[in-house]
Amino acid sequence: AQKVTQAQTEISVVEKEDVTLDCVYETRDTTYYLFWYKQPPSGELVFLIRRNSFDEQNEISGRYSWNFQKSTSSFNFTITASQVVDSAVYFCALSAANQGGKLIFGQGTELSVKP
Amino acid sequence: GAGVSQSPSNKVTEKGKDVELRCDPISGHTALYWYRQSLGQGLEFLIYFQGNSAPDKSGLPSDRFSAERTGGSVSTLTIQRTQQEDSAVYLCASSLELTLAKNIQYFGAGTRLSVL
Repeated sequence: AQKVTQAQTEISVVEKEDVTLDCVYETRDTTYYLFWYKQPPSGELVFLIRRNSFDEQNEISGRYSWNFQKSTSSFNFTITASQVVDSAVYFCALSAANQGGKLIFGQGTELSVKP
Repeated sequence: GAGVSQSPSNKVTEKGKDVELRCDPISGHTALYWYRQSLGQGLEFLIYFQGNSAPDKSGLPSDRFSAERTGGSVSTLTIQRTQQEDSAVYLCASSLELTLAKNIQYFGAGTRLSVL
């Protein structure tokens, strides 16, 4: 079975703090993709990043970075020097080879960045 | 269009009525997905289309739910005899293709359905 767990339901930080959002996944497939989406208060899910199961290189994009570790089945997301505009619900998701492309989402982590 | 477009953005209906939700995918995207987001269930997959066919309907919660896609473009999700538990945000997404390598799903803003 496929499963994504985001254990942190809510996180609150003060602006400029670094914050890491955790994501742990389960799958028996050897070929899969992992995603992060951002859902701001407006409601639209915004694609942030996709990684495939064969590429464990960490990735950095501006203040965002992602750490993918197959050994612990984790795909964690770090925001450096957080800003108020980062306040949103963040979803981690999994798409596996035998799932027809559908995304299996975690429950989401609501991040609140206070000024 | 530039992005995935969903209509209406909000729909309030009475229990027992039928509703139709519309999704217009990104031009050129062959795969289309419907998801439901509710407080108790999070984000759950409902159905996907490759072209006009829907190979996997396993996520539809009951036989009151149906979906179709015509012309490989616009899709309609229909809920018959709505119940209060159908209240949720219905999200549509599209991707270039179904294959994993070309499957980045881009989402619309959703339709918020309220069943009174």
